[in-house]
Amino acid sequence: GAGVSQSPRYKVTKRGQDVALRCDPISGHVSLYWYRQALGQGPEFLTYFNYEAQQDKSGLPNDRFSAERPEGSISTLTIQRTEQRDSAMYRCASSSTVNTEAFFGQGTRLTVV
Amino acid sequence: ELKVEQNPLFLSMQEGKNYTIYCNYSTTSDRLYWYRQDPGKSLESLFVLLSNGAVKQEGRLMASLDTKARLSTLHITAAVHDLSATYFCAVEGSNYQLIWGAGTKLIIKP
Repeated sequence: GAGVSQSPRYKVTKRGQDVALRCDPISGHVSLYWYRQALGQGPEFLTYFNYEAQQDKSGLPNDRFSAERPEGSISTLTIQRTEQRDSAMYRCASSSTVNTEAFFGQGTRLTVV
Repeated sequence: ELKVEQNPLFLSMQEGKNYTIYCNYSTTSDRLYWYRQDPGKSLESLFVLLSNGAVKQEGRLMASLDTKARLSTLHITAAVHDLSATYFCAVEGSNYQLIWGAGTKLIIKP
């Protein structure tokens, strides 16, 4: 596609529910990154993939968070048993390879009530 | 652990003035990025700086990198209102993840 596409743009969920956030990277981009951005702060690294391989998941806050990219294209970030502290903007980015310029999607605003 | 600090965090200035935003980082890195974010919008890449002494310019913005001092600057020349935004620096970590500064919110008054 023309840019990185994320869906949904907004998600409101009740505490304890599971949510799945989707990222469709720029076509042909090898590397895909997930970040979380709290209001008024810089993005915080969560995890990244090269093709379908998850290269680094050190930024995932705890085992309720997981991500996959099974065919090396679309990725899903899943949060199980959501908590209010999970509320944030979740941003996906892709780049042609590692250590090249990353292009960001519009993000998914997650609100846990 | 790689840490990135920006200053100032907030800057209000008049059109036509010059100013500099600073980005310090704590450990060696091969790459530094500057991004712009408008309110409610995504992050837009401005510059990628790859080596010591690198300087890049785009319009009224100029970015430079001193890897020995672990310092990058983003200089704004003769500011105009359209440059109002939040500017982030991000430094590449050992596993290619980006570690971000807190951002500098820039307001340019007409």
